[in-house]
Amino acid sequence: DTGVSQNPRHKITKRGQNVTFRCDPISEHNRLYWYRQTLGQGPEFLTYFQNEAQLEKSRLLSDRFSAERPKGSFSTLEIQRTEQGDSAMYLCASSPDPGNTEAFFGQGTRLTVV
Amino acid sequence: QKEVEQNSGPLSVPEGAIASLNCTYSDRGSQSFFWYRQYSGKSPELIMFIYSNGDKEDGRFTAQLNKASQYVSLLIRDSQPSDSATYLCAVMRNQGGKLIFGQGTELSVKP
Repeated sequence: DTGVSQNPRHKITKRGQNVTFRCDPISEHNRLYWYRQTLGQGPEFLTYFQNEAQLEKSRLLSDRFSAERPKGSFSTLEIQRTEQGDSAMYLCASSPDPGNTEAFFGQGTRLTVV
Repeated sequence: QKEVEQNSGPLSVPEGAIASLNCTYSDRGSQSFFWYRQYSGKSPELIMFIYSNGDKEDGRFTAQLNKASQYVSLLIRDSQPSDSATYLCAVMRNQGGKLIFGQGTELSVKP
């Protein structure tokens, strides 16, 4: 499979629990992005990496959110002490080197906090 | 004012007609402009992008950019029911940077 892969596809968790999502970008794509999308809205930027370096974080990314890309390949997004407002689709995208701006999205992880 | 604005719709057109989707943006420094299509429950998929003023055509799709008016549009010719989806406009300030999305316009193509 040559596309962006995200796991799990769906996650239901109780409020207060921690969750972790994984994203495997397209092979050799240097840039990896995380977005969050709620119903009826466009995706909102959370953070992005150039290889293993986290270059930008949105103000939306509170202290409960952390993202890593330790070896410049896959990335994880962790949400600690989940709240009902965290329920959303979490989208990962990747793009080749900075000279190529096209970003390709994975299928997303739908999080439901109950 | 949102950075990227789109009419949420729904926009309804008959099969075979031209669908016109519009988007305005607030940051004059924006460099790249993208149109994504998103089917219900699915992730966005890239339709096309445009960097320079004018028109860019790809099959049934034409993107139009007017930087002076801070306006970008997408025309879909010979609309098909399979084009029914939400169309997301996105802008990028810096090459390779983050995408800033509008809220999307829902398009419905009636047979």
